[in-house]
Amino acid sequence: DSGVTQTPKHLITATGQRVTLRCSPRSGDLSVYWYQQSLDQGLQFLIQYYNGEERAKGNILERFSAQQFPDLHSELNLSSLELGDSALYFCASSVGSGGMGNEQFFGPGTRLTVL
Amino acid sequence: AQKITQTQPGMFVQEKEAVTLDCTYDTSDPSYGLFWYKQPSSGEMIFLIYQGSYDQQNATEGRYSLNFQKARKSANLVISASQLGDSAMYFCAMREAAAESGGATNKLIFGTGTLLAVQP
Repeated sequence: DSGVTQTPKHLITATGQRVTLRCSPRSGDLSVYWYQQSLDQGLQFLIQYYNGEERAKGNILERFSAQQFPDLHSELNLSSLELGDSALYFCASSVGSGGMGNEQFFGPGTRLTVL
Repeated sequence: AQKITQTQPGMFVQEKEAVTLDCTYDTSDPSYGLFWYKQPSSGEMIFLIYQGSYDQQNATEGRYSLNFQKARKSANLVISASQLGDSAMYFCAMREAAAESGGATNKLIFGTGTLLAVQP
């Protein structure tokens, strides 16, 4: 158990819908990262927050947005869902943002299926 | 741009033997970090080992060691005394350079992974 929690574990929805994925980082970690794992794209970084502020952005679609709240939990919002959004979405956390080390610990993931 | 390459899509190893999973990387940044993660069939990503570009010694964590050859830009994972529970997908990852990301971030770039099957 990494200490990072993600809910829900599974999510099945229809095209055009909107969903929210939730992540709670390990105690003491200030950074939260979101990654998408799909068969065709592999593991891709989406976005990072550090202590409530956006720190880095990757290949995140405009239909996707995220935020980190004062209690440091984070939510990833996916809207106007398409079939291609079906993937495993990981949240990870680390103590800091940059520098050496700062290993990222991953949550169990949310498996999103868009029908 | 930075890149991680894992050329072995799949590997077999006999239980109790050692196995090496290959990883090569490309970066022009002198400061970088390399990571290995394990993803069993259940799906979670498990952190295994970290190597910093300035570390003088190869990293080791229990049965895991990292064969870091800086000049060759390789960071191979060595698993000693393989166990059935080691059967999983293994990912090599690199922290993106600060220069490319515009500042201090730990965003990771992942390779395509190697599927390891340990046979009894």
